[in-house]
Order: sequence, then structure tokens, then C-alpha cells
Amino acid sequence: NAGVMQNPRHLVRRRGQEARLRCSPMKGHSHVYWYRQLPEEGLKFMVYLQKENIIDESGMPKERFSAEFPKEGPSILRIQQVVRGDSAAYFCASSGQGAGTEAFFGQGTRLTVV
Amino acid sequence: QQQVKQSPQSLIVQKGGISIINCAYENTAFDYFPWYQQFPGKGPALLIAIRPDVSEKKEGRFTISFNKSAKQFSLHIMDSQPGDSATYFCAASKAAGNKLTFGGGTRVLVKP
Repeated sequence: NAGVMQNPRHLVRRRGQEARLRCSPMKGHSHVYWYRQLPEEGLKFMVYLQKENIIDESGMPKERFSAEFPKEGPSILRIQQVVRGDSAAYFCASSGQGAGTEAFFGQGTRLTVV
Repeated sequence: QQQVKQSPQSLIVQKGGISIINCAYENTAFDYFPWYQQFPGKGPALLIAIRPDVSEKKEGRFTISFNKSAKQFSLHIMDSQPGDSATYFCAASKAAGNKLTFGGGTRVLVKP
């Protein structure tokens, strides 16, 4: 039973390019959360999705960032026109349906903008 | 308020000693308080969690103490081992599986 799978593990982009981060939740999980971790800091919530729906995007920057979780396939966090300040580790977590189910984290994608 | 404050930022303890990390929260709607352990280059892994209807929970060498009236909770690592050297994060949410608000983290170094 595979855990939360994120890819790529490391991503290097030049300023102005687009970054696409993928997250496949644990089998049977339908809730996905994205978090960002800046160096030497804690994780900050970005967005919460269920299949085909954005439930809470209160932590998402207003511009350049978007997320989706289609009916088929992984959840995608997309960052357009990346800037150096976007360099961080991006973690995805998933949980099952219903209240009281634990969230499990993936290994993260480390984005470096050069 | 959604903030969770964690202290200390770093901690050095001798092998066999006790590591103590403290967290304080503001939002009384929080109902679930997990602790995560993170090794360099890895994702956070759930260590232990508590709900406010109990004041203490113990799993092996790890214990959470919870003080609802003070809105504080702490992690105690007994008999600390070099393999416990990692960054520890407290967190809070309105329910398990809900979005988490994290503390700033505590880097623990256990010296042999």
C-alpha cells in the first residue's frame, strides 16, 4: 500500500518559467492538502481539495498559483512565472473521507528557482 | 486567530535525557493536536496526537501533555536517543484530517 507520492522530488526552474508539482494520494484517500515550507520554517497551509473541487484555498497566493484535483489522475499544484521567492519545499498530504481520519504527508518537492 | 507558537527553536540534550517542547495556541475551535517528526529531506511523519478531552497521552517514549485552560500542549521525549535527532512540529486543526496550522518547529539534537 503505497503512501502519498509526490513528483518530482527536485525541480529547478528559471525565473519566469512554470512549475508543475504532482501529488498522488494514498489509495482510498479523496482529500488532498498542499503545504509550503520555506527554509528553516514551519509548514504553511496553501489549499485543500477534494476530487474536482477546491474546498479551501485561503492559503494560496492570489496570483500565479493554482491547484486542481481532477476526477482521474494526481492533484497538480501549478506555479506560473516563478520567482526566486517561490523556492521552497512543497508538501502534499492526503486523508480519507469523514471526520477523524489522519492526514499523511508525501516526501515533498523541492523547488529551486534560479 | 490561527497561530500556533512553538518553543524552543532548538534543543540539545544528552543521550538518555528528556526533551521537552512546548506549544501554545489561540483558536479555541482547535480540537486536534498532532506532533510531527521531520528528518532532513523528508516529509513530516505523524508521531502522536491528542484531543482536548484527555490531559495526557503516552506512546512508548513519547508523551503529550495538554492543558486546555491554558491553551498549551507539550511533547516529552523520554530516554532521548541519537536517532531522535530531527525537527519536531506541533500542529492544530479543527478535526483530524482537516487543514493543519503548524508551529515553527524545534530542531532537536541528541548527543551520544
